[in-house]
Amino acid sequence: SAVISQKPSRDICQRGTSLTIQCQVDSQVTMMFWYRQQPGQSLTLIATANQGSEATYESGFVIDKFPISRPNLTFSTLTVSNMSPEDSSIYLCSVHSRTGGTDTQYFGPGTRLTVL
Amino acid sequence: DAKTTQPNSMESNEEEPVHLPCNHSTISGTDYIHWYRQLPSQGPEYVIHGLTSNVNNRMASLAIAEDRKSSTLILHRATLRDAAVYYCILRDVKGTYKYIFGTGTRLKVLA
Repeated sequence: SAVISQKPSRDICQRGTSLTIQCQVDSQVTMMFWYRQQPGQSLTLIATANQGSEATYESGFVIDKFPISRPNLTFSTLTVSNMSPEDSSIYLCSVHSRTGGTDTQYFGPGTRLTVL
Repeated sequence: DAKTTQPNSMESNEEEPVHLPCNHSTISGTDYIHWYRQLPSQGPEYVIHGLTSNVNNRMASLAIAEDRKSSTLILHRATLRDAAVYYCILRDVKGTYKYIFGTGTRLKVLA
């Protein structure tokens, strides 16, 4: 299994500012992902964070709004730029792990963001 | 990515079995069926997965239809701690490891 921590756990931000969310894993992993969960909704994949190369974004998400860094195999950051109230969500990171022949994803606890 | 359809919500009495259905009529031969659940204020956690045969683990059982167009997650004895949103997800074993979440089923367990 993999243990994932995220910082901050929650934040309240002003419109127009940016917030960087950190994701730390207790072991080296190849695949890391960032999700958004809007209030009362399911999870939506934002991007795959690739180590040593640019992130791969899903449709509807762009690098200018959600820049992602992946400097090594245990750490990634997601920045929410030029925030508006519509960005108020929970942001979660996850990692892929193959244990005993089973492919699973482990999720962090999430970062709850409120934009005023 | 093939899509899944689940009921929005279900209720169960404590200590009774719960059957959570999932339809995936466009499933391909290389899609694994994964189930995750999200407890309140937590990230999703793995429950079980399978390809063709029924599967059992300490948390639940997974029954897969013979044509693989539907599956059912079975909690044998629901407890209050099983109250969560349950997601059925298809993952192509030949593709990337990313997950596309559907709407999920919110399970309410009554004491």
